[in-house]
Amino acid sequence: GAGVSQSPSNKVTEKGKDVELRCDPISGHTALYWYRQSLGQGLEFLIYFQGNSAPDKSGLPSDRFSAERTGGSVSTLTIQRTQQEDSAVYLCASSLFPSSGGNSNEQFFGPGTRLTVL
Amino acid sequence: AQTVTQSQPEMSVQEAETVTLSCTYDTSESDYYLFWYKQPPSRQMILVIRQEAYKQQNATENRFSVNFQKAAKSFSLKISDSQLGDAAMYFCAYGGSNYKLTFGKGTLLTVNP
Repeated sequence: GAGVSQSPSNKVTEKGKDVELRCDPISGHTALYWYRQSLGQGLEFLIYFQGNSAPDKSGLPSDRFSAERTGGSVSTLTIQRTQQEDSAVYLCASSLFPSSGGNSNEQFFGPGTRLTVL
Repeated sequence: AQTVTQSQPEMSVQEAETVTLSCTYDTSESDYYLFWYKQPPSRQMILVIRQEAYKQQNATENRFSVNFQKAAKSFSLKISDSQLGDAAMYFCAYGGSNYKLTFGKGTLLTVNP
């Protein structure tokens, strides 16, 4: 009965370095989402995966950000050449499947990765 | 594009009292869902309550209930008999046809003993 897990819990890096953040969704969930939560802000959508369909990358803030989902399960969010403005909590969520005409399925969130770029 | 606005950055309530958190949203869609999520200091986002736009009846979950006014695009959360464990950041979120959730900036709720 594991929930969504994310690793690492905290990551401190130097400006200009690349980082990889990992998300393990709930088994059987076909939809996976990445969000970014900056200090004092709500959650900002980054990217969405659904099954074998092409991901919705419309929320990625720059081409330094990329994500992949292997085997329809684990996902990795990669940030290249990190900048100080990338410092935030990165949250991953999964859901069974989204229904047409509305997001009726609850998204289950992981505990997030707090990224600090020095 | 949809927007979600939470006009109360912070709220406080006495233990056992009732508090209402406000949320308004903007959309041109007719079919959508609205959510309230709770985020304690552990960072874990927890779904508190969900409302389908096509349902006129307000959703309730134990001590939590909503006042959904579709025409006014308003979706407030009422917490009755507040408990110390209710202290957290509360986010209102919109879920429409494009599956992603759009969140407000949150309301930090403090519960005083």
